[in-house]
Amino acid sequence: AQSVTQPDIHITVSEGASLELRCNYSYGATPYLFWYVQSPGQGLQLLLKYFSGDTLVQGIKGFEAEFKRSQSSFNLRKPSVHWSDAAEYFCAVVLLPTSGTYKYIFGTGTRLKVLA
Amino acid sequence: DAMVIQNPRYQVTQFGKPVTLSCSQTLNHNVMYWYQQKSSQAPKLLFHYYDKDFNNEADTPDNFQSRRPNTSFCFLDIRSPGLGDAAMYLCATRRGMGETQYFGPGTRLLVL
Repeated sequence: AQSVTQPDIHITVSEGASLELRCNYSYGATPYLFWYVQSPGQGLQLLLKYFSGDTLVQGIKGFEAEFKRSQSSFNLRKPSVHWSDAAEYFCAVVLLPTSGTYKYIFGTGTRLKVLA
Repeated sequence: DAMVIQNPRYQVTQFGKPVTLSCSQTLNHNVMYWYQQKSSQAPKLLFHYYDKDFNNEADTPDNFQSRRPNTSFCFLDIRSPGLGDAAMYLCATRRGMGETQYFGPGTRLLVL
């Protein structure tokens, strides 16, 4: 069965430090890949997405992600974390539609804490 | 700005008292989704509409119903809320030929 794994439930980094959040998927083909961020009590905001082409994608708020087919991974990175980045981050994949629908499969999320 | 709007942002109801959550969108997207998200968990898809075609997830309880009277609005009805239905409810939309879902801010439901 298709699945998305975010191995790290919690990550704590110091402000200004670099960040990498891991995401692995299990699927026979290349899915569409997304990263969303959710601040406390808020909805999900799209950070970036990958469909095809250049495997390094740039997103909002200084985030980037790299698709690695050989590792079935789509890790999210930021070179210098800001205190406002503290939030929950969800990786999601969309399987190629079988009936015209695009259902997301979400990872379980990684909660990021930023130390001042 | 085009967006997905959810009202109210916070809803308190009593055990067993029907409640309706609303979602509206100015994006003119064909597809609308309802998710349930419990604390520290990923969103769980309840159902979605593709235009007026309703699609229920197999494990969505019968207690949850939905209506989409027009393109812009979609409602989530919980007929007899239980304590386990307390959660954040997220609405999302997607353009018919697109792959990206756009989420509203959510409605947090508290059941007393």
